[in-house]
Amino acid sequence: SQTIHQWPATLVQPVGSPLSLECTVEGTSNPNLYWYRQAAGRGLQLLFYSVGIGQISSEVPQNLSASRPQDRQFILSSKKLLLSDSGFYLCAWSDGPRAIYFGEGSWLTVV
Amino acid sequence: ILNVEQSPQSLHVQEGDSTNFTCSFPSSNFYALHWYRWETAKSPEALFVMTLNGDEKKKGRISATLNTKEGYSYLYIKGSQPEDSATYLCAFSSGAGSYQLTFGKGTKLSVIP
Repeated sequence: SQTIHQWPATLVQPVGSPLSLECTVEGTSNPNLYWYRQAAGRGLQLLFYSVGIGQISSEVPQNLSASRPQDRQFILSSKKLLLSDSGFYLCAWSDGPRAIYFGEGSWLTVV
Repeated sequence: ILNVEQSPQSLHVQEGDSTNFTCSFPSSNFYALHWYRWETAKSPEALFVMTLNGDEKKKGRISATLNTKEGYSYLYIKGSQPEDSATYLCAFSSGAGSYQLTFGKGTKLSVIP
């Protein structure tokens, strides 16, 4: 069966520090991969999606970036965090139009 | 820009009450409408995926309907229980490209024992 893991679950980072959130999917190949964020008082916002290794599409301008170095690995990064980057980040995968599956989520607090 | 609106934003009901909330979405280029149940600090749990106008889905005490022509879906909870307390998210897909979901902001349900 397919599983998705993301880590770390929580982190507190100072403004200007770098960020790396990792996500891996097991039990499937060539999944579509996604990073979503929920900021305080807002809905889930799609940040990045990827249909294959090295193929990343960005939905919103921001100081975050994403990479897909392997088929089932998706990484969310930032070189310098802003206060506004605080929120709940969710990695997700899908293999078709019927369902999307989410990871456990990562709480990021930028101080 | 796709707009998915959910109402109400939050809802408090007594245990045993039935309740419902609304999701409205673009009626053009419709592919699928999803409902998720999301508890704080947990992964959203898929409840329903609906694709056809007039679809009705049911899972225990929770059911959902879909009207793609007018662009809305209702989620119903019969006999609410405290464990139903969560945020209920709907998400719209037009099926274009890599299958992206546009989420509403959710309805936060609190069931008071």
